[in-house]
Amino acid sequence: ETGVTQSPTHLIKTRGQQVTLRCSSQSGHNTVSWYQQALGQGPQFIFQYYREEENGRGNFPPRFSGLQFPNYSSELNVNALELDDSALYLCASSFWRAEQYFGPGTRLTVT
Amino acid sequence: AQTVTQSQPEMSVQEAETVTLSCTYDTSENNYYLFWYKQPPSRQMILVIRQEAYKQQNATENRFSVNFQKAAKSFSLKISDSQLGDTAMYFCAFMNFTGTASKLTFGTGTRLQVTL
Repeated sequence: ETGVTQSPTHLIKTRGQQVTLRCSSQSGHNTVSWYQQALGQGPQFIFQYYREEENGRGNFPPRFSGLQFPNYSSELNVNALELDDSALYLCASSFWRAEQYFGPGTRLTVT
Repeated sequence: AQTVTQSQPEMSVQEAETVTLSCTYDTSENNYYLFWYKQPPSRQMILVIRQEAYKQQNATENRFSVNFQKAAKSFSLKISDSQLGDTAMYFCAFMNFTGTASKLTFGTGTRLQVTL
C-alpha cells in the first residue's frame, strides 16, 4: 500500500510568482486536505477536496486554489506569492471523514 | 471557533521512563474526534492515536495511551517506556465536521526530547 506522496520536496520562488504543489493520496482514500505549517507553528487548514469538489475552506484568500482529479490526487495552486507564504505545505488524505494521513510536505521559500 | 491549547512547549524524559503531554480544547460541539500526531525532524506528520468523543473508554496504541476527560475538555497523551525514536514534536488535534468537511485544528505543539 502506497502512502501519501508530495512533490516537489523543496521549492524556491520569487514574490509575485505562482506555484503548484502536488499530492497523491493513499490507496483507498477519496478525500484530500491541505494545510500550511509556518515555522514553529501547528498546521493551519487551507481547504479540503472530496469527489473533485472543494467541500471546506479555512481562512485563506482566494489566491490559494486547488484541484482534485478523478484518481483522487490533488494540486494546490498559490498565485501572487507573498513572503508570508513561506511555509511547509502538508497534504493529507483520508477516506471521507476518517483519520487523515499526511505526506512528507513541500517546503516553499518565497524570496 | 475551536481552539486547541498545548501548554508545554518543551519536555524532556529519560529513556524507558513515562511522560505525559497535556492538551486542552474548546468547542461547543458534541460530535468530534481528537488525535495526537508526531512530527519528527524528518517533518512527516505521523498519526499516533485517535479518540472519538462519544467513546468513554480511553484509546490505547501499544506504548501510547490517552486520558480523555470530556467534561474538562482535556486530552493528554501518556508515553510509556520512552524510546529515543519518540523524540519529536507532538501535536494535539481536534477534528470537527463543518458541513461536509472534516477539518483538523492543531495546537502549537510540544517538543519532546528523549535522553539516555
